[in-house]
Amino acid sequence: SQQGEEDPQALSIQEGENATMNCSYKTSINNLQWYRQNSGRGLVHLILIRSNEREKHSGRLRVTLDTSKKSSSLLITASRAADTASYFCATGGGETSGSRLTFGEGTQLTVNP
Amino acid sequence: KAGVTQTPRYLIKTRGQQVTLSCSPISGHRSVSWYQQTPGQGLQFLFEYFSETQRNKGNFPGRFSGRQFSNSRSEMNVSTLELGDSALYLCASSFEGQGYEQYFGPGTRLTVT
Repeated sequence: SQQGEEDPQALSIQEGENATMNCSYKTSINNLQWYRQNSGRGLVHLILIRSNEREKHSGRLRVTLDTSKKSSSLLITASRAADTASYFCATGGGETSGSRLTFGEGTQLTVNP
Repeated sequence: KAGVTQTPRYLIKTRGQQVTLSCSPISGHRSVSWYQQTPGQGLQFLFEYFSETQRNKGNFPGRFSGRQFSNSRSEMNVSTLELGDSALYLCASSFEGQGYEQYFGPGTRLTVT
């Protein structure tokens, strides 16, 4: 079963615009990660944010984490056609989940040239 | 470093048969996890191996099994295949597992007819 939900399920924007995806989760976590998946292929790790961090940046990516609301957001700035992919949040750690990652349902991002 | 490799990439099997999938982690990584991805259930955790021991297990029937060798390479086996086992099977490796980002292979696309 999925730990969390991602919002929106699908997002279509123009090149150069910013894309924001949200993720909610249910249980306590040690960290939250974001992954990208191009159609039918493996997942690519984007960024990991630990439960004691509130914001993290990596290139054009910005991730925020609000543990009080059990939510996270991924912002991609100045999007490119190559950013077209599915984006998943995944929670890991915590008292019971150990090393397993629990994924959200994903957001399908389409960036139009 | 070479990435995570999975073999075979594509596989077609008949219901009732068994199948073995292989995963070679990134050099130095000791944790290997397996995930099943289907359109209906999304990404679901199968199990994790660390230093040849199963450290974590998801909610899959006993037909799904795995093992890890001393060189950290891992195999998963599915016996008595069912149509519902058709999925993308993803392997991920990480340095320690818990709290670390995971690096995914390209996946094995299994089709059961």
